[in-house]
Amino acid sequence: QKEVEQNSGPLSVPEGAIASLNCTYSDRGSQSFFWYRQYSGKSPELIMFIYSNGDKEDGRFTAQLNKASQYVSLLIRDSQPSDSATYLCAVPNQGGKLIFGQGTELSVKP
Amino acid sequence: DGGITQSPKYLFRKEGQNVTLSCEQNLNHDAMYWYRQDPGQGLRLIYYSQIVNDFQKGDIAEGYSVSREKKESFPLTVTSAQKNPTAFYLCAASSRGQGNYEQYFGPGTRLTVT
Repeated sequence: QKEVEQNSGPLSVPEGAIASLNCTYSDRGSQSFFWYRQYSGKSPELIMFIYSNGDKEDGRFTAQLNKASQYVSLLIRDSQPSDSATYLCAVPNQGGKLIFGQGTELSVKP
Repeated sequence: DGGITQSPKYLFRKEGQNVTLSCEQNLNHDAMYWYRQDPGQGLRLIYYSQIVNDFQKGDIAEGYSVSREKKESFPLTVTSAQKNPTAFYLCAASSRGQGNYEQYFGPGTRLTVT
């Protein structure tokens, strides 16, 4: 059974700082990874996906993948209070399913 | 305006009643999914369908039923057999065949059973 692990947090950072969210996965064969953002009371929103080792940048967001160590990170630069949300990491499973981590709650303090 | 719609946003039912949650998508995606989320918890897969007229049980299918008669629609019925039905229900859709498997979610239905 594949597993995806995230620290539940809450992770608290001051406004303007870099927030670093981490996710580890059990299946060494996993090829793609997704980050979702979920505001309180809302549905998850896909914000990043990464398939290759290394970094992928999109605006203030950078996803980092290290397949040898089996972890994927999400960095949020210049964190804003509007970034306060729960961030979910997901890994594909057979049949087109996704396995989600428990999510990390991020709080950005003004 | 492409997307996934779920209705209603809030639903209240008495214990012992069946209730059907609607999920419609106009993304032309083949695969659709139903998840349940409890407070402070992650997403748990209830049912999924990769193609019309076919669906499979997820991790917590007991007490739930689905149908997939049309590509656009994947309704979920919460039956009276479901012991703890109060939860946030999320529908998602995914375009198969591209190897990416990213899923896009509807706004969710919050079900309260008393």
